[in-house]
Amino acid sequence: AQSVTQPDIHITVSEGASLELRCNYSYGATPYLFWYVQSPGQGLQLLLKYFSGDTLVQGIKGFEAEFKRSQSSFNLRKPSVHWSDAAEYFCAVGGGGGNKLTFGTGTQLKVEL
Amino acid sequence: KAGVTQTPRYLIKTRGQQVTLSCSPISGHRSVSWYQQTPGQGLQFLFEYFSETQRNKGNFPGRFSGRQFSNSRSEMNVSTLELGDSALYLCASSLKTDFTGELFFGEGSRLTVL
Repeated sequence: AQSVTQPDIHITVSEGASLELRCNYSYGATPYLFWYVQSPGQGLQLLLKYFSGDTLVQGIKGFEAEFKRSQSSFNLRKPSVHWSDAAEYFCAVGGGGGNKLTFGTGTQLKVEL
Repeated sequence: KAGVTQTPRYLIKTRGQQVTLSCSPISGHRSVSWYQQTPGQGLQFLFEYFSETQRNKGNFPGRFSGRQFSNSRSEMNVSTLELGDSALYLCASSLKTDFTGELFFGEGSRLTVL
């Protein structure tokens, strides 16, 4: 069965600082990997996705993620965080037919001004 | 282009009642998925419909059911509500059913069971 682990429940960074959110997955085949962001009271917005090819993927809002098969990881990064980035971030894995996603438990990001 | 629309946005029910939630996907999208979000269990997949057929089903009891209409609109129903069914129910639509199309999420229907 596929699973996703986000080891950090809460992360606080200062505005302008760099950010890395960790994600580890378990999946038997080549996974489809995603990062979503959820602002309070909102649905989920796709930041980026990895299907195959280049292991460094660029997303919206200046985010990027790197797929490392050897470490079963798909960490999300941003070089300089903005106050508006404060939200909850979810890593997800898909595959096996259909659009079924398995989500991690999320990382709540707080940005200090 | 209108996004995914979920109705109602908020509702309160009592134990034992049943509830129906509605989801209108983005125009042209044929896949509709439903997720339950709770503080304790996080985001869990309920089911996915594509062209009126259920493609996938998560590990939820039979009290949770869904359907999709010919216009791709979808409804989910929860019967005999329990306190633990209190959650944000999210609907997502996609053009395809194999992740080649992006999943677009609605803002959710927040169900409170008293």
